[in-house]
Amino acid sequence: GQSLEQPSEVTAVEGAIVQINCTYQTSGFYGLSWYQQHDGGAPTFLSYNALDGLEETGRFSSFLSRSDSYGYLLLQELQMKDSASYFCAVNSGYSTLTFGKGTMLLVSP
Amino acid sequence: NAGVMQNPRHLVRRRGQEARLRCSPMKGHSHVYWYRQLPEEGLKFMVYLQKENIIDESGMPKERFSAEFPKEGPSILRIQQVVRGDSAAYFCASSTTGTSGNTIYFGEGSWLTVV
Repeated sequence: GQSLEQPSEVTAVEGAIVQINCTYQTSGFYGLSWYQQHDGGAPTFLSYNALDGLEETGRFSSFLSRSDSYGYLLLQELQMKDSASYFCAVNSGYSTLTFGKGTMLLVSP
Repeated sequence: NAGVMQNPRHLVRRRGQEARLRCSPMKGHSHVYWYRQLPEEGLKFMVYLQKENIIDESGMPKERFSAEFPKEGPSILRIQQVVRGDSAAYFCASSTTGTSGNTIYFGEGSWLTVV
């Protein structure tokens, strides 16, 4: 089977840095993706890591350690609009993405 | 370049009726995925299709649910004899190839309410 664990909720203030962790257990692994979903909206792609290390895209960075089955999403210079749910997802084979239950990020002034 | 288009956005059905949800993938995408999301839950994979073929339906309930992606036209997710437990958001996604090493793009979702 496949399982992903991520915190259910994280809170932070504007301008801060927050890290959302994700650990996974899968049979087969191609990479780890991160998606953002605002309330009631479409999940939107943020980043993808296939190899160990850090990928940086503007204020967002994502890290992967395949040996530890662990990754994280790092959000810097937080803005109110970053309040959303963040999902890690494993590409475990040809056909599907398996998603975690999501982390709700609440950014306060 | 239009994104993944889903309709209807909201659908209300009485128990026992049928629900049909439609999805047009992004231009140039031939791989379609359907996911279901319950409130405060993650996205649960249902089915993966290419044109005229079901590739993986391991997440689809065995009864009442079916999906197709014909040669022409949108992909359809069909739920027969709906029950209250079918109330959820149904998201469609598409990609150019399979998900290994590739990004999938989601539509805005179809919210099904069974009364």
